[in-house]
Amino acid sequence: GAVVSQHPSWVICKSGTSVKIECRSLDFQATTMFWYRQFPKQSLMLMATSNEGSKATYEQGVEKDKFLINHASLTLSTLTVTSAHPEDSSFYICSARDHRSGSNQPQHFGDGTRLSIL
Amino acid sequence: GEDVEQSLFLSVREGDSSVINCTYTDSSSTYLYWYKQEPGAGLQLLTYIFSNMDMKQDQRLTVLLNKKDKHLSLRIADTQTGDSAIYFCAESNTWQLTFGKGTKLSVIP
Repeated sequence: GAVVSQHPSWVICKSGTSVKIECRSLDFQATTMFWYRQFPKQSLMLMATSNEGSKATYEQGVEKDKFLINHASLTLSTLTVTSAHPEDSSFYICSARDHRSGSNQPQHFGDGTRLSIL
Repeated sequence: GEDVEQSLFLSVREGDSSVINCTYTDSSSTYLYWYKQEPGAGLQLLTYIFSNMDMKQDQRLTVLLNKKDKHLSLRIADTQTGDSAIYFCAESNTWQLTFGKGTKLSVIP
């Protein structure tokens, strides 16, 4: 149980392109979804938290106009990297949890999306 | 802010036990987690422990928590080559996780 599917797993695109990454909870309702960025050989950096039906909360230093997050349903959140540039190249990972099941429910992670901007 | 520290590397021989250590600073942490990340993949939840517990065992995995010293460890018994990965320790006192930098476990055949 508690499977999170992330798509696509790998994207290569030209500078200036906008890229959308999807995160789906397959067998549970994700009231909260998280988006992380991971640089090579480093830990995960939380970018933003989204609750279903409301605006995302962004961490300090993360541009909300650059990284658009939508969490329109209990099973889907999307991250759109707008006008991507080479410095946006990174590994993006989403996670999800259902807080209604109790405060002890852990976050379950997707397999990540490797974004390469040429 | 709160901090989670881990050693960066650990190398063990196949069949031996591995012990990965983690320290944290948030005294109000309620849950502590261990995640495994294989190359190019996301994070897989291995196990987690509530802060009022001092030990949790799940097959080859044993988690020990010393709340007084804010020290968490993950022991992997009979380590296999498939256990080679990066292991992240994380703590939370609400819904937000704070991760360590990860320990890269290398298993020597």
